[in-house]
Amino acid sequence: DGGITQSPKYLFRKEGQNVTLSCEQNLNHDAMYWYRQDPGQGLRLIYYSQIVNDFQKGDIAEGYSVSREKKESFPLTVTSAQKNPTAFYLCASTGWNQPQHFGDGTRLSIL
Amino acid sequence: QKEVEQNSGPLSVPEGAIASLNCTYSDRGSQSFFWYRQYSGKSPELIMFIYSNGDKEDGRFTAQLNKASQYVSLLIRDSQPSDSATYLCAVRATGNQFYFGTGTSLTVIP
Repeated sequence: DGGITQSPKYLFRKEGQNVTLSCEQNLNHDAMYWYRQDPGQGLRLIYYSQIVNDFQKGDIAEGYSVSREKKESFPLTVTSAQKNPTAFYLCASTGWNQPQHFGDGTRLSIL
Repeated sequence: QKEVEQNSGPLSVPEGAIASLNCTYSDRGSQSFFWYRQYSGKSPELIMFIYSNGDKEDGRFTAQLNKASQYVSLLIRDSQPSDSATYLCAVRATGNQFYFGTGTSLTVIP
């Protein structure tokens, strides 16, 4: 079954800690995206990548980092510099001229 | 100016009625338009997409696009309580970026 897998489903971060959210897709999509969603809010773009080994900052990239070493994988690291990380994080991917599809999301909270 | 704007609602309709959701966008170069449904605590689920002016129907859902007016709408006929969710409008802009509205909350009252 093709799809986007995000893990873990729930994540807790301690003060000063970096945490990494996983996103894997087997849809053979070139483009992958990370969004943040706060309660009652829309989706805000953190980073996106159109091809392997290349990525661009979105609207709220500060305090986050990504890598794109493989087409299938686009992990997001929430660094200690992100002072308000509590949110619902969504990974998405798309192929040429196709809609964007989402993983199930990771809910991050601060301990 | 926001790239994509939606009436935030909340919108309430009785079961069996038509729900109408609206969206405007600012980038005239946008080519693709999408409607997602998001249940509370879940990720967005694609329900409709439209690329050309006019109407596109899929079951109880109809998407309408008017590029001259930069306007997209979603009609849900015979609304059911299971349609109660937040509906997100999205636009694919140049550079393969997607812009999302803040969503319209719909409640279908049995």
